Amino acid sequence: NAGVTQTPKFQVLKTGQSMTLQCAQDMNHEYMSWYRQDPGMGLRLIHYSVGAGITDQGEVPNGYNVSRSTTEDFPLRLLSAAPSQTSVYFCASGQGYGDLPQHFGDGTRLSIL
Amino acid sequence: AQKITQTQPGMFVQEKEAVTLDCTYDTSDPSYGLFWYKQPSSGEMIFLIYQGSYDQQNATEGRYSLNFQKARKSANLVISASQLGDSAMYFCAMRESAGAGSYQLTFGKGTKLSVIP
Repeated sequence: NAGVTQTPKFQVLKTGQSMTLQCAQDMNHEYMSWYRQDPGMGLRLIHYSVGAGITDQGEVPNGYNVSRSTTEDFPLRLLSAAPSQTSVYFCASGQGYGDLPQHFGDGTRLSIL
Repeated sequence: AQKITQTQPGMFVQEKEAVTLDCTYDTSDPSYGLFWYKQPSSGEMIFLIYQGSYDQQNATEGRYSLNFQKARKSANLVISASQLGDSAMYFCAMRESAGAGSYQLTFGKGTKLSVIP
């Protein structure tokens, strides 16, 4: 089972560049989410989706866009990268009403120069 | 106010001893859930244990148990018989309703546990 797959694993960008972090899951989960993890800050929710065509903002949505055209995929877009977006990004998926644990991808380490 | 508070940035425990990692939470949602995740140095997030707000008994999963004190709004993780492989970051997280059948997960800042041989 692939579970939650994130690509790329590492990326270096220059300020102002754009890129898309990919996330795909093969468990038919309706709920998908993106977090960023900074030193000493734990994981913070960026955006989440409860199904195809439905997205909503989390705690730290500024500078990021998402879309959910299929159940399987939930890409995260940085339109104009800033050094403050240097972080480790995790995608997660879950089923039900959150009573079951989310499955996390392995993370993408992103550096903005 | 922080929704999830983990007051211990770092903890040390002797191998084979038990250790308690603290977690307090703040919510007005009557139906919430509490999770503990482990993050080893390799970086992946590993689910350990879950407690629902309406669960009458404390959750247990092998060597992990959750000391749930609802009135005190605390959900401490107890690891019995610590092993060297338990050395990792531990995160407490709370699931709250976000309306219309959706939910959000809020994480604490974590506790770094080091197991001493």
